[in-house]
Amino acid sequence: EDQVTQSPEALRLQEGESSSLNCSYTVSGLRGLFWYRQDPGKGPEFLFTLYSAGEEKEKERLKATLTKKESFLHITAPKPEDSATYLCAVQGPHDYKLSFGAGTTVTVRA
Amino acid sequence: GAVVSQHPSWVICKSGTSVKIECRSLDFQATTMFWYRQFPKQSLMLMATSNEGSKATYEQGVEKDKFLINHASLTLSTLTVTSAHPEDSSFYICSARVSTGPGSYTFGSGTRLTVV
Repeated sequence: EDQVTQSPEALRLQEGESSSLNCSYTVSGLRGLFWYRQDPGKGPEFLFTLYSAGEEKEKERLKATLTKKESFLHITAPKPEDSATYLCAVQGPHDYKLSFGAGTTVTVRA
Repeated sequence: GAVVSQHPSWVICKSGTSVKIECRSLDFQATTMFWYRQFPKQSLMLMATSNEGSKATYEQGVEKDKFLINHASLTLSTLTVTSAHPEDSSFYICSARVSTGPGSYTFGSGTRLTVV
């Protein structure tokens, strides 16, 4: 069974204070690792898909990286509008289902 | 980009009644739709996968007679919570796969169900 563990559970940052979120995964054959942003009371918003170890993707202040066992979401010089819950999910080899981690709730103070 | 419209965004119903949640793909054909349930401060838990024109596949522990899923067209999937009880109160989210291969998935905005 695919497993996804995210840490930390919560992260409080000062505006401009860079940090990283971790997503550790166990899957028999990774077809894709996904990062989503979720605001309170809303559905997840797609950020990145990573397919193979060594791959990196960037979008504004966010950068996602992937190894064979984990992924990191780096937030550089965050702003208050980056406050959200960040979800990590993996797709295994057998079907199109995603397995989600519990998320990291990021709060950025001005 | 691909958009999934989910309605209603919130609903309050009396215990014992049924509630229907709709998800429509606005600018693409959703051959596969996923339904999730999310409790406060917890992750998304997959309830079922539906393919257009086929019966839904439910995850272990999900009551298929209680959570009825219909995916009769390529643009509409519905989830009906039958004989709702307070323990069914939760945040329900639909998702559609938007491309072949690993691809990406787009999510609806979610429905907050409160059963009183």
